[in-house]
Amino acid sequence: DSGVTQTPKHLITATGQRVTLRCSPRSGDLSVYWYQQSLDQGLQFLIQYYNGEERAKGNILERFSAQQFPDLHSELNLSSLELGDSALYFCASSVASGLAEYQETQYFGPGTRLLVL
Amino acid sequence: AQTVTQSQPEMSVQEAETVTLSCTYDTSESDYYLFWYKQPPSRQMILVIRQEAYKQQNATENRFSVNFQKAAKSFSLKISDSQLGDAAMYFCAYRRGGATNKLIFGTGTLLAVQP
Repeated sequence: DSGVTQTPKHLITATGQRVTLRCSPRSGDLSVYWYQQSLDQGLQFLIQYYNGEERAKGNILERFSAQQFPDLHSELNLSSLELGDSALYFCASSVASGLAEYQETQYFGPGTRLLVL
Repeated sequence: AQTVTQSQPEMSVQEAETVTLSCTYDTSESDYYLFWYKQPPSRQMILVIRQEAYKQQNATENRFSVNFQKAAKSFSLKISDSQLGDAAMYFCAYRRGGATNKLIFGTGTLLAVQP
């Protein structure tokens, strides 16, 4: 158990709908990362938050957005869903405080499996 | 842009034997970190081992060790005394040093362990 939790574990929805994925980082971790794992794209970085602020963006679609709340949990919002958005979405966290920020390891949650029908 | 290449889509090893998974990467950075993650059928991503580029000594974690060849940009994972529980997809990952530290993953190697 990595200490990172994600809910829900599975999500089935229809095209055009909107869903929210939730992530709670390990206790004390300030950074949260979102990754998407799909058969055709592999594992791809979406976005990173550090202590409530967006730190880096990857291949995240405009239909997707995220935020990190004061209690450090994060939510990934996916809207106008398409069949191609079906994937496993991972959240990872790391401690990232002071100099440790440059040496921390990312620990992954169990993922949310999204199926768009 | 940095890239990570895993040229072995699938590997197989006999229980108790040793297997080596290959990974190469491309970067112009001098400060970076390399990782191997394991993804079993449960799909959980589990950290196996990490290597700091500035360290010459190869990292080891119990039965897992790496062969880090910085000049050749090679980072292979050796699993000794393979166990049935080692069967999984293994991903090599790269992270540039610094504050923006996303992981860049290879395409993975599926390891089967034969009893």
